[in-house]
Amino acid sequence: EPEVTQTPSHQVTQMGQEVILRCVPISNHLYFYWYRQILGQKVEFLVSFYNNEISEKSEIFDDQFSVERPDGSNFTLKIRSTKLEDSAMYFCASGYRGDPLVTQYFGPGTRLTVL
Amino acid sequence: AQSVTQLGSHVSVSEGALVLLRCNYSSSVPPYLFWYVQYPNQGLQLLLKYTTGATLVKGINGFEAEFKKSETSFHLTKPSAHMSDAAEYFCAVSSLIIGFQKLVFGTGTRLLVSP
Repeated sequence: EPEVTQTPSHQVTQMGQEVILRCVPISNHLYFYWYRQILGQKVEFLVSFYNNEISEKSEIFDDQFSVERPDGSNFTLKIRSTKLEDSAMYFCASGYRGDPLVTQYFGPGTRLTVL
Repeated sequence: AQSVTQLGSHVSVSEGALVLLRCNYSSSVPPYLFWYVQYPNQGLQLLLKYTTGATLVKGINGFEAEFKKSETSFHLTKPSAHMSDAAEYFCAVSSLIIGFQKLVFGTGTRLLVSP
């Protein structure tokens, strides 16, 4: 069964450094999402992406964040200058439009630790 | 705006006992409701979803949930718990009308199953 994959599984970085989190969505999916979960807190929506552009973003998703689908298979989340509070588990999801809604399938997550 | 409340951060049951995980939602528009499960070190897996139609929905692994509009609830049940059901369970709400079908999650309930 196809699944969403994410790399790396764990990323440790220094505050102020740039990180890129990578996701390979399920191949025929057209809708892409990033969520994050700070330890002990709820899973929060960051951004949705469709037709090569951001369709919606949360207030968390400020100018330090960007997303890209560089080659038609990967979907990346970049944090330009990481802060301590960016430490979290980051989940990628992809989805197809069923009837009547998009069903989202999640990857295993990347744990980001900012020191 | 939409929100989800999951009562009880931890629920403990004995193997073979009934599992009941509570979820209440708030939504100004007709909601779509989901339960996801997260096993240790894994991503979020869709258990079941309610969109329209039958209010009792069946999912994988013997779980089911009932949408009760009058109570704004979508509780998850399983008649007989297995050790393998031990995991974190997340209730989520979405909508065709609000946003790009982003999922709004509750804080999660950890299910502990004892022999």
